[in-house]
Amino acid sequence: DVKVTQSSRYLVKRTGEKVFLECVQDMDHENMFWYRQDPGLGLRLIYFSYDVKMKEKGDIPEGYSVSREKKERFSLILESASTNQTSMYLCASSSSGGYQETQYFGPGTRLLVL
Amino acid sequence: RKEVEQDPGPFNVPEGATVAFNCTYSNSASQSFFWYRQDCRKEPKLLMSVYSSGNEDGRFTAQLNRASQYISLLIRDSKLSDSATYLCVVNRGGTASKLTFGTGTRLQVTL
Repeated sequence: DVKVTQSSRYLVKRTGEKVFLECVQDMDHENMFWYRQDPGLGLRLIYFSYDVKMKEKGDIPEGYSVSREKKERFSLILESASTNQTSMYLCASSSSGGYQETQYFGPGTRLLVL
Repeated sequence: RKEVEQDPGPFNVPEGATVAFNCTYSNSASQSFFWYRQDCRKEPKLLMSVYSSGNEDGRFTAQLNRASQYISLLIRDSKLSDSATYLCVVNRGGTASKLTFGTGTRLQVTL
C-alpha cells in the first residue's frame, strides 16, 4: 500500500519561530509537492521537487523554503513563522510516468501560529 | 477568473438520489483531468481520472468536454458514505506533474 507520512498532525508555534515540516514517501516517486489548504481557497502549491536537490517555486512560495536531500524525503521550512501561515499543510508525491499520474497525499499537518 | 471553478455547494441529497457536479477550467492546454475526494479533516484521494470519451467506475461517471472546457461527475444511487467534498483537478498544460485543484463541492447524503 502506498504511503506518504508527515512528521506531525498538529503543531503550535509562535510568531518568528523557524518551523520544519517533514514528509516521507515510500513509493520511490520522483515528484514531491507541498500545498497549503485554506477554507474557500482550496489547495495552493507552495513548492514542487522533481528530483533530489531540485526544486521549483509554486504559486505561493513567499515565506517558505524547501529541502530535498534524499529522494524519499521533502521538507518544508517556514523561516520565520507568521500568523498568516496558520493553515493545513499537505504533502504529496507522484511518479513521472505521464499525464495520468496520481498524486498521493499525506494526512496533513495543521499548523497554528500564535 | 479562477483556473478551476466549482459550485461549492453544499448539495444535500437523500440516499438513493442521483447528483451531478460540474467544473470549468480556463487553461486550454490542460491535458489531464481528475476528480479527487476529500473527507472531512482528511487528505484528498483520487476518485477517478477523466478521459475524453467519458468513463464510468461503478456508480460514478465522469465526462469531459474539451471544447467547452467543462468536466462533470455523476453519482448514481447515492450512499451515506459518499458524503465528502469532491475536488475537480486539472494539470497545468505542458507540465504533466503540476496540478490545479478546484475549491471543491461539498456533498451531504442524508437518510
